[in-house]
Formats: sequence, C-alpha cells, structure tokens
Amino acid sequence: AQSVTQLDSHVSVSEGTPVLLRCNYSSSYSPSLFWYVQHPNKGLQLLLKYTSAATLVKGINGFEAEFKKSETSFHLTKPSAHMSDAAEYFCVVSEARSSYKLIFGSGTRLLVRP
Amino acid sequence: NAGVTQTPKFQVLKTGQSMTLQCAQDMNHEYMSWYRQDPGMGLRLIHYSVGAGITDQGEVPNGYNVSRSTTEDFPLRLLSAAPSQTSVYFCASSYRRLAGAVNEQFFGPGTRLTVL
Repeated sequence: AQSVTQLDSHVSVSEGTPVLLRCNYSSSYSPSLFWYVQHPNKGLQLLLKYTSAATLVKGINGFEAEFKKSETSFHLTKPSAHMSDAAEYFCVVSEARSSYKLIFGSGTRLLVRP
Repeated sequence: NAGVTQTPKFQVLKTGQSMTLQCAQDMNHEYMSWYRQDPGMGLRLIHYSVGAGITDQGEVPNGYNVSRSTTEDFPLRLLSAAPSQTSVYFCASSYRRLAGAVNEQFFGPGTRLTVL
C-alpha cells in the first residue's frame, strides 16, 4: 500500500535562508506526487506536482522538488525563505492507477524567523 | 468561478445530533471527495464520488453518509454526531482522470466542526 512520511513535523528557518522539507514515499506503482500548502485557517493550495515527466519540478512561489526514485524521496526546497512562506506543507502521493485517492503525509509546519 | 465552496464554516453540535455539511463546485468536475483533518495526522479520505450517482468509501467512512445527485453538489451527512468526529472537514474536486494524466484536486476552505 502507498504511504507518505514527512520526516520533520516542524522546521524553523531564518528569512532569506534556504528551506528544505523532507518527504519519503512508498508506492507499489509509478507514483504521482504533490506538495500542498495550507496557510493558517485556509484551505489547501497546490504548490507543485510530479507526473513522471521531469524529475525536477518547479512550482509556485519559488518552490521546487526533486523526484528521486532510488531514494523514494520527493523533498521540497526553496533557495530563500520569505515570511509569507510560514505555513503547513503536505506531501501527498496518488497511485497512478487510482489517482482519485490522495494519501497525505502528516504535515510539516514551517516557521520563518525575521 | 467560485471554485469549491463549503458551508457552514463553523458548527457546534451535541452528541447524537445530525447535520449535513454542504459542498458545491462550479467547475463541472466529475470527481469530488471529503477529507477530515486532525492534528498531526494530515488529511484522511472519508468518501468520494467519480460522478453523479456514484459514491464509494475512503479510509475513514464510519459515521458518515454521502450522496451525489448532481455534478455540482456533494453533501456529507453525520447521522449521529460523536465527539470523535470533531475535526476540520475539507471538500475537494477535480476533473476525471484521463489515462496517463494527473489532475489537480481543488480544495474548499473547510468546515470546523466541534461535537460536545
């Protein structure tokens, strides 16, 4: 069965420094992977998605993620954090053969210090 | 387009009461789903529908009913609320998946439910 593990429940960075949010997945089939962001008291917004085209995926607001099959990882990065990036981030896997069902990681809360 | 809308935004129920959470989308999406979000657990799928008249269970369906009479609406019913159903509920929708394609799911703003 597919699953997602977000390795850090909280990440704290200073404004202007790089962001790394880690995600490992387990999937029986070729996976589709997503990162969603949730700002406080808001719904979820798609940051980026991997669909077996390019392994380096660029998303909105300067975020990108790299799919590494050998490591079963899909880490999210951003070169320079902004205060507005403070939010909760979810790594999500969807089986290619039944992609209606999304499996969410437990989330990583990103804190950005001034 | 309003996207995915949910009502109410907040609700407090007493144990044993029933209620319906409303979800509507104006994007003509075939697929709709309900998730619940609990602290430290991410979102978990409750029920989903791939089109009008078709529904199926997700990961945590017990205590919830759904129906899909139109493409636009997908209400979630709690027949007898329990404190364990205190959560934030999100509705999502997307286009029907074509072979080889991956469609983004659009989420509503959520309903925060408290059961006393």
